[in-house]
Amino acid sequence: EAQVTQNPRYLITVTGKKLTVTCSQNMNHEYMSWYRQDPGLGLRQIYYSMNVEVTDKGDVPEGYKVSRKEKRNFPLILESPSPNQTSLYFCASSLYTGSPLHFGNGTRLTVT
Amino acid sequence: QKEVEQDPGPLSVPEGAIVSLNCTYSNSAFQYFMWYRQYSRKGPELLMYTYSSGNKEDGRFTAQVDKSSKYISLFIRDSQPSDSATYLCAMSARSGGYQKVTFGIGTKLQVIP
Repeated sequence: EAQVTQNPRYLITVTGKKLTVTCSQNMNHEYMSWYRQDPGLGLRQIYYSMNVEVTDKGDVPEGYKVSRKEKRNFPLILESPSPNQTSLYFCASSLYTGSPLHFGNGTRLTVT
Repeated sequence: QKEVEQDPGPLSVPEGAIVSLNCTYSNSAFQYFMWYRQYSRKGPELLMYTYSSGNKEDGRFTAQVDKSSKYISLFIRDSQPSDSATYLCAMSARSGGYQKVTFGIGTKLQVIP
């Protein structure tokens, strides 16, 4: 089944404790992206990747890192999480930039 | 002013009603227009994808784009309780070397049996 898989689905952590949210797609998509979704603000792009080893900042990249060492994986790293990073996070992929996005089922992160 | 404006609702309609969901935008460079449906605790899933002005129909769903008015709509005919979800409009424009997608905040729809 074609899908984007995120893990974990739910995560509660404390301020400053490094964490990684994994994202994997099995559709051989070139393009991958991370979004956060907050009430009243909608989906905002954090980082995106056009291809392996090519990543760039989205609209809200502060406090996040990403890497794209393999085509299928695009982990999101929070080196020192803060409470304002409490949010619902979505990974998405598409065949190429501009083609329809396929989303994972989200990771709900709470930072206390 | 946001690039994409969407009324968050909530919108409640009786089963069988025709639903109209709308977004306006300010960036005339938007080229591709999309509607996504998001069920609770799920990721958005693509419903409609259009490029040009005009209508596109898929079953009970019709997407309408009016580039001159910078206005897009999604119509749902014979609405069902299973249509209860949040509907996100999205549109993309070339930004540097890629198509940047901008989302509306979503309209929450409830179809009452």
